[in-house]
Amino acid sequence: EAQVTQNPRYLITVTGKKLTVTCSQNMNHEYMSWYRQDPGLGLRQIYYSMNVEVTDKGDVPEGYKVSRKEKRNFPLILESPSPNQTSLYFCASSPSSTGDTEAFFGQGTRLTVV
Amino acid sequence: TQLLEQSPQFLSIQEGENLTVYCNSSSVFSSLQWYRQEPGEGPVLLVTVVTGGEVKKLKRLTFQFGDARKDSSLHITAAQPGDTGLYLCAGGTGANSKLTFGKGITLSVRP
Repeated sequence: EAQVTQNPRYLITVTGKKLTVTCSQNMNHEYMSWYRQDPGLGLRQIYYSMNVEVTDKGDVPEGYKVSRKEKRNFPLILESPSPNQTSLYFCASSPSSTGDTEAFFGQGTRLTVV
Repeated sequence: TQLLEQSPQFLSIQEGENLTVYCNSSSVFSSLQWYRQEPGEGPVLLVTVVTGGEVKKLKRLTFQFGDARKDSSLHITAAQPGDTGLYLCAGGTGANSKLTFGKGITLSVRP
C-alpha cells in the first residue's frame, strides 16, 4: 500500500531534550516536506527536500533540522525543543517538485513540549 | 507572498442541506487542489483543477476553478455526516514551486 509513515504518532517531551520524528515513504517520490499545523494558522511548511541531499527552508524553519540521506526517509530533528514547538506535525511526499502535483500526507505526529 | 483565504472559517449545518465554501486569492495559480482532513488523520486529496472555469464533480461535491485562476469554490449537495471534516485548498504555481495552503474550513454536518 502506498503510504507515508510517521513515527511516533504522539510524543510528550521536556524542554531542551533532543528528539527526532521519522518519516518514510514507499512511493519513490522525489519531493518531501514537513509541515506544522496550528489552530488559526493552518499548515505551514517547515523544510522541504527536492531530492537526496537537497534540502531547503520553508516558511517556519527556526528550531528545526532535517536530512535527506536516502530517497525514502526525511527525518525532522528538534535539537532543543521549546514549548512553542508544541504542534501537530505532518510529513508529506510528492512525485515531483512542481507545486501542481498531489501531496501525500502521513498521519501526523502530535508533539507536546513541557 | 501568495495567500489563499478560505471562507467561511466554520460551518455547522443539518444533514441534507446544501452548502458552498470558497477559496480566494489575489494571485494567479496554475492549479488549485482541495483536500479533506478528518480528525487524527493527514489531509487527503479530493480533486485538482487546472483550467480556468473548470468544473469537476466527485459524487455530491462540485468543484469550480475561477476563470482567472485566482479562486475556487466547493459545493456540497445534500450534505451527510460523513462530509464532516476540515477542507483545505492549496494552490500551486508550477515547476519548483511549493503548495500554498489556505487555513481551512471546518465543516460539521449534524444528523
